[in-house]
Amino acid sequence: SAVISQKPSRDICQRGTSLTIQCQVDSQVTMMFWYRQQPGQSLTLIATANQGSEATYESGFVIDKFPISRPNLTFSTLTVSNLSPEDSSIYLCSVEDPGSEAFFGQGTRLTVV
Amino acid sequence: SQQGEEDPQALSIQEGENATMNCSYKTSINNLQWYRQNSGRGLVHLILIRSNEREKHSGRLRVTLDTSKKSSSLLITASRAADTASYFCATVAGGTYKYIFGTGTRLKVLA
Repeated sequence: SAVISQKPSRDICQRGTSLTIQCQVDSQVTMMFWYRQQPGQSLTLIATANQGSEATYESGFVIDKFPISRPNLTFSTLTVSNLSPEDSSIYLCSVEDPGSEAFFGQGTRLTVV
Repeated sequence: SQQGEEDPQALSIQEGENATMNCSYKTSINNLQWYRQNSGRGLVHLILIRSNEREKHSGRLRVTLDTSKKSSSLLITASRAADTASYFCATVAGGTYKYIFGTGTRLKVLA
């Protein structure tokens, strides 16, 4: 199992600014995953963060908008840049074992005004 | 999109009743999992069923899987107000490590 501490839990940000979300895992993991959940929607994978290499982004997500850092095997950050109201969502990090289950952080609820 | 579909989108029942939600997916899978999300927080794993299993139980949860129809159902028996949440199915396609989440069912259990 894994316990993930994600922060902040929520934030209200001005247009044009950026928000950095942090996730700390209580054990070393190879891959960490970042998701976006738009209001009333399901989870959409933004990118996979691997330690020591560039993150792998899904179609529709780009590094300039969602830069990710993965400095070690227990920590990752996601920055949402140049915020617009359309970025208002819940952002979630996870670590996943496809053979058993995924473990999620508590989520970050972002509101852009 | 490879995203699975869930129905109903929303379900409102009385406490003590059973709640059934369904999930359909599009690819071959290794397993299918169900998760619960309270009030937009992190998802919590409920149960996993492997592709070679047809039914699985865990407490008040019963999951079925029909790989020929690419569908699964989650039954919550004797529901409680605390079961009020959104429920998502998730699959991992064979040969990949990525989870694909369904569209979700919002369950409301009235006391």
